Amino acid sequence: QQQVKQSPQSLIVQKGGISIINCAYENTAFDYFPWYQQFPGKGPALLIAIRPDVSEKKEGRFTISFNKSAKQFSLHIMDSQPGDSATYFCAASFTGYSSASKIIFGSGTRLSIRP
Amino acid sequence: EPEVTQTPSHQVTQMGQEVILRCVPISNHLYFYWYRQILGQKVEFLVSFYNNEISEKSEIFDDQFSVERPDGSNFTLKIRSTKLEDSAMYFCASSEPGHSGEKLFFGSGTQLSVL
Repeated sequence: QQQVKQSPQSLIVQKGGISIINCAYENTAFDYFPWYQQFPGKGPALLIAIRPDVSEKKEGRFTISFNKSAKQFSLHIMDSQPGDSATYFCAASFTGYSSASKIIFGSGTRLSIRP
Repeated sequence: EPEVTQTPSHQVTQMGQEVILRCVPISNHLYFYWYRQILGQKVEFLVSFYNNEISEKSEIFDDQFSVERPDGSNFTLKIRSTKLEDSAMYFCASSEPGHSGEKLFFGSGTQLSVL
């Protein structure tokens, strides 16, 4: 029940195209849904995040779409660039606790942008 | 920009040996985490730590693992008797006050190889 399922495992997109990565969760108590970007040899870095009270959040070329009833959310990368080539992880967590609450990661999507 | 620092970047050890992985979280952060990632796979939660005690641990974090915050700056992960399957990239992460379960900042990791 604490899993986050992510697809596809890998994705190849032409430069300038739209990259779309999808995630689904089971536990409706999750209240924070971040996306992390990871380059080889580096730790994951927070890219963008959303809470379930909104259906969409946009930051530059990156947009999260959130469907609370379907328990799904997705990352859209507009005008994809070669520099976006990385592994992307969706994640979910419970927030608002005084103790250190964990973030649960999806399995990752390796994105390659073709020049 | 403040960052989470991990040392060493690479650690090679013999099976059965003890290893200590070191982390310096961002200075004003209060929530601390260890995750691990086996090559190309998902980022797995090991343990979270707050107020000098473990908040939560995963099934992976058995009696061979321990964490410590020996002073005001360091956060360490000790593996008492390493096994071959402990070979992985270990990431330390931290988050700031009031942001338990969100906005985790990750270090660049320690690649542990158990021979």
